[in-house]
Amino acid sequence: DAGVTQSPTHLIKTRGQQVTLRCSPKSGHDTVSWYQQALGQGPQFIFQYYEEEERQRGNFPDRFSGHQFPNYSSELNVNALLLGDSALYLCASSLVLAGRETQYFGPGTRLLVL
Amino acid sequence: GQNIDQPTEMTATEGAIVQINCTYQTSGFNGLFWYQQHAGEAPTFLSYNVLDGLEEKGRFSSFLSRSKGYSYLLLKELQMKDSASYLCAVMGSDYKLSFGAGTTVTVRA
Repeated sequence: DAGVTQSPTHLIKTRGQQVTLRCSPKSGHDTVSWYQQALGQGPQFIFQYYEEEERQRGNFPDRFSGHQFPNYSSELNVNALLLGDSALYLCASSLVLAGRETQYFGPGTRLLVL
Repeated sequence: GQNIDQPTEMTATEGAIVQINCTYQTSGFNGLFWYQQHAGEAPTFLSYNVLDGLEEKGRFSSFLSRSKGYSYLLLKELQMKDSASYLCAVMGSDYKLSFGAGTTVTVRA
């Protein structure tokens, strides 16, 4: 049973560029959430996708957008990169069972913006 | 929104017990989670509490008091491999998961 996978593991970009990060959820999970984690901080919620729709969104600008595919995998796109976008980007998948939703995290993509 | 507070750092000796406290203020509540995160790695799920009381899972236990907006994670028989950051996270009524900044636990020999 594969867990949550993300690609790429590391990425270096320059200011103004665009980036796409990918996530495949744990088998059987239908919901994908994306988080940004700066060094020494807890993860910050970006948005969540369910049934190919953005269900919830955190306090991130429109430069951050996403997509969920019919197979439940997901992409995070960031346009016009800023130095402050350098962080670990985490994807978490989940499934609501008996009213409980536990999120399981992938290994993350470490993005460095120069 | 959510406001989640936990201590920044804690240090303990191998074999000892450490308790990590977490207080939260939330506009809705669908459960409190604890995650362990080793440096450079992704968070790993440890525990989930939605009802008041203690949940025990091996060397780790988690407690919740919803009326006080308070939880703790208890780590017993500490091992060197327990050195990590421990994240308290609250799921609101909108199913968004909000994290605290994490508590770095250092286990000394």
